[in-house]
Amino acid sequence: NAGVTQTPKFRILKIGQSMTLQCTQDMNHNYMYWYRQDPGMGLKLIYYSVGAGITDKGEVPNGYNVSRSTTEDFPLRLELAAPSQTSVYFCASSYSQGGGEKLFFGSGTQLSVL
Amino acid sequence: EDKVVQSPLSLVVHEGDTVTLNCSYEVTNFRSLLWYKQEKKAPTFLFMLTSSGIEKKSGRLSSILDKKELFSILNITATQTGDSAVYLCAVWSGGSNYKLTFGKGTLLTVNP
Repeated sequence: NAGVTQTPKFRILKIGQSMTLQCTQDMNHNYMYWYRQDPGMGLKLIYYSVGAGITDKGEVPNGYNVSRSTTEDFPLRLELAAPSQTSVYFCASSYSQGGGEKLFFGSGTQLSVL
Repeated sequence: EDKVVQSPLSLVVHEGDTVTLNCSYEVTNFRSLLWYKQEKKAPTFLFMLTSSGIEKKSGRLSSILDKKELFSILNITATQTGDSAVYLCAVWSGGSNYKLTFGKGTLLTVNP
């Protein structure tokens, strides 16, 4: 079982470059999420999606964009990378969001912006 | 603003010790509390608690929720080096728009 798959695992960007973090899940989950985790901090929600074609901002959306064209895929786009975006990024999914769902996480992308 | 506070932030113990990790919360319209274990990579799910006073148990790990005092504890007995990880607490809250708030985590190091 693949679960939630993220690529790449590591990436170094120069300031101003763009990149897309890929996320795909094979559990037919409706809900998908992007989080960032800075050292010593909890996970902060960047964007989430409740289904194909529907996305919404989380706590820290500035500098990021997302799309959800299929149930399986939820890519995260960084348009103009900044050092403040150096972080570990996690994609997650859940079947629903009734306030009682567990999230399944991908293995993360370590991103450095220099 | 919803808050989830974990303590201690880090802890070093020896194999065989018993540890208790704490998670307190202040949220609007509590729904459930989740515990995750995070080693080098993805957080993996441990427990979900919704009812006060009911212990969830899995092997050497157990957890309980106190909805009156707004906290949960995660106990690990007879610790092993493989228990070394960051333990994350998260709380679902809200009415029609649900929100999951994470604490900063407790870094547990188990030395042989």
